[in-house]
Amino acid sequence: AQSVAQPEDQVNVAEGNPLTVKCTYSVSGNPYLFWYVQYPNRGLQFLLKYITGDNLVKGSYGFEAEFNKSQTSFHLKKPSALVSDSALYFCAVRVRDSSYKLIFGSGTRLLVRP
Amino acid sequence: DGGITQSPKYLFRKEGQNVTLSCEQNLNHDAMYWYRQDPGQGLRLIYYSQIVNDFQKGDIAEGYSVSREKKESFPLTVTSAQKNPTAFYLCASSTPAAGRYEQYFGPGTRLTVT
Repeated sequence: AQSVAQPEDQVNVAEGNPLTVKCTYSVSGNPYLFWYVQYPNRGLQFLLKYITGDNLVKGSYGFEAEFNKSQTSFHLKKPSALVSDSALYFCAVRVRDSSYKLIFGSGTRLLVRP
Repeated sequence: DGGITQSPKYLFRKEGQNVTLSCEQNLNHDAMYWYRQDPGQGLRLIYYSQIVNDFQKGDIAEGYSVSREKKESFPLTVTSAQKNPTAFYLCASSTPAAGRYEQYFGPGTRLTVT
């Protein structure tokens, strides 16, 4: 069965420090992986994706993610956090059938303190 | 929130009434999805549609119904059979063209049933 896990309910970081939001996945074959961000009472915004190629993927707002096949991980990173990065972050993996469905993790709340 | 609109943003209904949530997209995407989000939880798939006049049940379809008469529109009806309908509802769309498997989300509708 395909699944994605976000082991941390909340991540706290000081502004200016690097941040990491963790994601691990379980899928047969090569995974298609995604990160989304959600601000309060808003829809999800697409940040970045890994389909194939370079293991380090760069996305919107200075975020990047590192695909690690051996550890089945796709952690979201940013070198220097901003207070405005505080939001709910979701990792997702594409279901390996013709439906194009995504399976979402439970979400990680990022709190960046000034 | 891209080219996906959901209306209304807030919706209040009495228990026992059916209610229809609107979702429209101008992205020319083939696939559309409805998700439910509860506080502190991730997204759960209600229904999805890959083509006009066809749709499939997701993980929590009971108490919901959909239609897909036009490519641009995918309305969701929350029926009186849904036992706990109060939630945040998100609509999304996607297209596999050019490897763009990511989904794009609308701003959401918060439904409160009392």
